[in-house]
Amino acid sequence: GIQVEQSPPDLILQEGANSTLRCNFSDSVNNLQWFHQNPWGQLINLFYIPSGTKQNGRLSATTVATERYSLLYISSSQTTDSGVYFCAVDKRSNTGKLIFGQGTTLQVKP
Amino acid sequence: DAGVTQSPTHLIKTRGQQVTLRCSPISGHKSVSWYQQVLGQGPQFIFQYYEKEERGRGNFPDRFSARQFPNYSSELNVNALLLGDSALYLCASSSGTGVLGQYFGPGTRLTVT
Repeated sequence: GIQVEQSPPDLILQEGANSTLRCNFSDSVNNLQWFHQNPWGQLINLFYIPSGTKQNGRLSATTVATERYSLLYISSSQTTDSGVYFCAVDKRSNTGKLIFGQGTTLQVKP
Repeated sequence: DAGVTQSPTHLIKTRGQQVTLRCSPISGHKSVSWYQQVLGQGPQFIFQYYEKEERGRGNFPDRFSARQFPNYSSELNVNALLLGDSALYLCASSSGTGVLGQYFGPGTRLTVT
């Protein structure tokens, strides 16, 4: 099956700093999503980005499908950005099965 | 509109017992997927149900079963609980069978002692 690797596993930032999270995947995919899991366990969709670049406020994501990686950029980080960021992929287009990476735990200090 | 709801929020069971977790999808959504998230790991796919039929199953033992009702709500059952079943169980709903537009519920935290 597809392997999804995220780096770094842990990241500590001061408020206002920028960061880049990386997701590598081992096979071609039809779907790639980035999620933020808050301390209460709620998974929030950030981006659906099987290829290309998208931006939403201080967050942006880029997926280079031919090289099998995706990047999540967080600019001007805030304490509310703390939590775990997951990359998840799906090889097929008609299943509800997402394969998640191990996540990057981000702590933003005031 | 209400999002995906799950009940109960927390649950403590003893080894060998059975547990039933419930999920109500977003109104209009016909697909429900279940995931298990062990502490420190990413969620792992257990089942997908669409229009009351099983459409996918992950690598979980037969102790895990699920069903979907005519109103598209779903139950996940786990028999003969093991300590390793302690996890956050997440439900996600979507209108179609794909992952696009899939929204996750808050989860049920199961502790097996």
